[in-house]
Amino acid sequence: DTGVSQDPRHKITKRGQNVTFRCDPISEHNRLYWYRQTLGQGPEFLTYFQNEAQLEKSRLLSDRFSAERPKGSFSTLEIQRTEQGDSAMYLCASSFGLDGDEQYFGPGTRLTVT
Amino acid sequence: TQLLEQSPQFLSIQEGENLTVYCNSSSVFSSLQWYRQEPGEGPVLLVTVVTGGEVKKLKRLTFQFGDARKDSSLHITAAQPGDTGLYLCAGARDNYGQNFVFGPGTRLSVLP
Repeated sequence: DTGVSQDPRHKITKRGQNVTFRCDPISEHNRLYWYRQTLGQGPEFLTYFQNEAQLEKSRLLSDRFSAERPKGSFSTLEIQRTEQGDSAMYLCASSFGLDGDEQYFGPGTRLTVT
Repeated sequence: TQLLEQSPQFLSIQEGENLTVYCNSSSVFSSLQWYRQEPGEGPVLLVTVVTGGEVKKLKRLTFQFGDARKDSSLHITAAQPGDTGLYLCAGARDNYGQNFVFGPGTRLSVLP
């Protein structure tokens, strides 16, 4: 399978704990995006990378959130001191970065903060 | 404020019926994409439209981009239960596709 993969698929954590999610994009893609999706809503942009450079961050990305893409391949999204409001589906997508920029999504990580 | 609005929010129809869902905005987009998402999974890209007035067909699905590139529609002919899902439109606000904006989606249920 050469699509976008995410790990873990599900994560349950207690409020105040730190969590880290991983995304492996399609190998030829140089752009990688993180989104958050809550029930009944479309995905909301969090941040994106062009190769290893983080080029844009949403105001939704508070200082408890950090994302890295150290070698321009896989990416991690860490949430520190989780809150119940962080419960959501976290989606990763990748693209070639061309005009039209077709994004291909992974299956997502469902986070539940208790 | 939603940059992209989708209607209807929910739609339940019988197998074999036709339907149209809409994606509207007051903003101009350089390109617009339609995705279908099933519960617990990520969105799956269906089509990208980039030219005002463009019409694309994908088997029983017909996608149209408005002349002013502010709106789009998705028409499904002879819907099947396998078409059930959340249909999302997403607009790119510049030619490099940064910061895609998604609509809230139309949840379609096709009953056998």
